[in-house]
Amino acid sequence: GQQLNQSPQSMFIQEGEDVSMNCTSSSIFNTWLWYKQDPGEGPVLLIALYKAGELTSNGRLTAQFGITRKDSFLNISASIPSDVGIYFCAGRLDAGGTSYGKLTFGQGTILTVHP
Amino acid sequence: DTAVSQTPKYLVTQMGNDKSIKCEQNLGHDTMYWYKQDSKKFLKIMFSYNNKELIINETVPNRFSPKSPDKAHLNLHINSLELGDSAVYFCASSQPGWGGTEAFFGQGTRLTVV
Repeated sequence: GQQLNQSPQSMFIQEGEDVSMNCTSSSIFNTWLWYKQDPGEGPVLLIALYKAGELTSNGRLTAQFGITRKDSFLNISASIPSDVGIYFCAGRLDAGGTSYGKLTFGQGTILTVHP
Repeated sequence: DTAVSQTPKYLVTQMGNDKSIKCEQNLGHDTMYWYKQDSKKFLKIMFSYNNKELIINETVPNRFSPKSPDKAHLNLHINSLELGDSAVYFCASSQPGWGGTEAFFGQGTRLTVV
């Protein structure tokens, strides 16, 4: 089946630094999503990308849908302590049938921000 | 009001027991899902239902049986629990299609089998 490779696995940064993480896939996706998971909570959607080459921002977050449809990155600028958590990329094929709505997740990036 | 609510939040049980996890969404979405998050935090889809019909079954052991009495509810029943079933189970819902909304996740149910 499809697999997503997300890197880095973990990051330890100082408050105020910028962060970058990315996902690559062995096959294409039609939608790329970025989620954040806080301890004891479910993943929360940060950014959704629907078009190859699309660059989208949400506050200090910026994400891009790779032109090959096989990759995406997420940048966080000027990190703050509440950015701590696990960030997941997810791809969706939207091919209908058995792929209907199915999200394939990356392994996650654990972000720690030191004040 | 919680959009996707799961009960219970924690479940500790012995091997061999049968248990159920309930999920309800008040978002009016047509599609609901069960995802499993293992100890390494990896999230993998188990089932998907669209308007009470099973759409996706990701080769999950048949000890796991989802049931959707209506499109706002998707419950997960697990028979003969095994140690390897210990994980966090997330329910989610979405409204697929043009103009729809992406998957919204519940808080999770942490299942511990001892």
